Amino acid sequence: SQQGEEDPQALSIQEGENATMNCSYKTSINNLQWYRQNSGRGLVHLILIRSNEREKHSGRLRVTLDTSKKSSSLLITASRAADTASYFCATDSGSRLTFGEGTQLTVNP
Amino acid sequence: DAGITQSPRHKVTETGTPVTLRCHQTENHRYMYWYRQDPGHGLRLIHYSYGVKDTDKGEVSDGYSVSRSKTEDFLLTLESATSSQTSVYFCAISESGEPLGEQYFGPGTRLTVT
Repeated sequence: SQQGEEDPQALSIQEGENATMNCSYKTSINNLQWYRQNSGRGLVHLILIRSNEREKHSGRLRVTLDTSKKSSSLLITASRAADTASYFCATDSGSRLTFGEGTQLTVNP
Repeated sequence: DAGITQSPRHKVTETGTPVTLRCHQTENHRYMYWYRQDPGHGLRLIHYSYGVKDTDKGEVSDGYSVSRSKTEDFLLTLESATSSQTSVYFCAISESGEPLGEQYFGPGTRLTVT
């Protein structure tokens, strides 16, 4: 069973718009991570947020974490065509990272 | 890519044959992982290693074995390949030194079992 589940499964926006993806999880975590995967490539780590943090920024990325709701969101501002990729959340459950199935983001030029 | 390479990058093999995939890292990281990625299942952990000769099973370890005789190499072996093992295999390392911290992934190996 998946610990982290992303929503929506697919998202299509125009260049310049903001993109928001959500991740829900079931059990307590120490940290939550977001990764990006371009087609045919390996995953690339974007950002890690710890359970005692509520928000974290990195460039055009903003991640929030609400441990009471067991959810996180990834906001990409001013999207670009190069942001087209799949985005995954990963939670530390037990002795391993558990990845969701991802959100496929398409940014149309 | 944190100096991670995988070989081969693509392989087609027949059911019942043994297959070994290699992951090589150049930066002496302690923790290494093997995942498989399939549509509808996301990324699932097969085996991981926390040092030379120290390995453990992940979520989907049946039919797979691993070995780590050197820090830089982590080998994944499919004992007798089956069609259900057709997948994309990713190796990863933990660069931060924390086993559940940020992971950095290799480029992947696409394996097809016919």
